[in-house]
Amino acid sequence: DQQVKQNSPSLSVQEGRISILNCDYTNSMFDYFLWYKKYPAEGPTFLISISSIKDKNEDGRFTVFLNKSAKHLSLHIVPSQPGDSAVYFCAAIRGGTSYGKLTFGQGTILTVHP
Amino acid sequence: DVKVTQSSRYLVKRTGEKVFLECVQDMDHENMFWYRQDPGLGLRLIYFSYDVKMKEKGDIPEGYSVSREKKERFSLILESASTNQTSMYLCASSSSGTRFYEQYFGPGTRLTVT
Repeated sequence: DQQVKQNSPSLSVQEGRISILNCDYTNSMFDYFLWYKKYPAEGPTFLISISSIKDKNEDGRFTVFLNKSAKHLSLHIVPSQPGDSAVYFCAAIRGGTSYGKLTFGQGTILTVHP
Repeated sequence: DVKVTQSSRYLVKRTGEKVFLECVQDMDHENMFWYRQDPGLGLRLIYFSYDVKMKEKGDIPEGYSVSREKKERFSLILESASTNQTSMYLCASSSSGTRFYEQYFGPGTRLTVT
């Protein structure tokens, strides 16, 4: 039962353009949604999060949008840079505890061409 | 900076061997996690711990056990390694504070079981 899904295994974008990575979820009990970025041979690093009570969160070039009615979130990167080339994982978590189990999507490989 | 270290970057073991993967974090985090990452499946939670000597099963605990005798150290044990346990293993930690959902990952251990 894949509660968090990233249906696009890969995305290719030109430098300077917008990258849009998508994620769908099925569990309406999730309280927070996160994006992690992973370079080869490194562990994932936290990028940005959004609470389920918000519909947008922005941090520099990165913006996450949440559409609760559609159970869909997206990560926008503007402008895209070659250094953004990595695997991006969407994740979700329920509140109510102090430890929180993350449920991850399958990941999307982003390639930004110079 | 949070630092999560894992004992080995690469490990090759034979079928039936007992395998120990060690993880150490230096941020006094209460929560620690073990994941495995496989292509097309994203990160899947094996076990986690929210306190010393406490452990909880994740989504795929079969064939694994864990040990947390000290707050900073969390060990993953493969009792009898099998070829289907060939994978990238990632350790993570998080605090139990307001940003409990933000997990910090180690660089990973690529385990090959032959």
